[in-house]
Amino acid sequence: SAVISQKPSRDICQRGTSLTIQCQVDSQVTMMFWYRQQPGQSLTLIATANQGSEATYESGFVIDKFPISRPNLTFSTLTVSNMSPEDSSIYLCSVDRKVGSNYGYTFGSGTRLTVV
Amino acid sequence: GQQLNQSPQSMFIQEGEDVSMNCTSSSIFNTWLWYKQEPGEGPVLLIALYKAGELTSNGRLTAQFGITRKDSFLNISASIPSDVGIYFCAGQLRGAQKLVFGQGTRLTINP
Repeated sequence: SAVISQKPSRDICQRGTSLTIQCQVDSQVTMMFWYRQQPGQSLTLIATANQGSEATYESGFVIDKFPISRPNLTFSTLTVSNMSPEDSSIYLCSVDRKVGSNYGYTFGSGTRLTVV
Repeated sequence: GQQLNQSPQSMFIQEGEDVSMNCTSSSIFNTWLWYKQEPGEGPVLLIALYKAGELTSNGRLTAQFGITRKDSFLNISASIPSDVGIYFCAGQLRGAQKLVFGQGTRLTINP
């Protein structure tokens, strides 16, 4: 099964600043996905990151606010720009990989962001 | 957009009891996935379902892909304290890569 490392695991940031979250996978994957989980809520897809092309953003999310890089098949970054307290959430990256006998989406442990 | 309606939102049960939760949608899904999330962690895949009518078990967990392709359920038998957490269903639409998540079921177990 794929191992996903996310950094940082948590951070407290000042409003107006930006934070870049890194996601490293231990094997090559075509697509990487970035999700947001607001406090007490479910997961919402922010964007899909493909290597060699621009990320595809979901409705309600824009590149200026959440720029994404995908320089190779094992790594991606998500930046949360010009942060406000409303951006306080858990941000998770995910890939579609085999987990045991299942094919499904594997998630990193997430980045818990608090904006003050 | 597509929505998954997951119920119940929360459950408070005694250790040893069986648990049942389900997800429904107005859309047809190709894949149903069930995840568990514990505090400070990302969701962990429990069971994946790929065919309508499919019934799959993983230890004390059993999940089924509804015949209409619009629903799925997850059962947990003989619950134990480590079953505590939030359980999410997720569906993948035909031809789509992304997942749509249910709102989650928070399971609390009294010893």
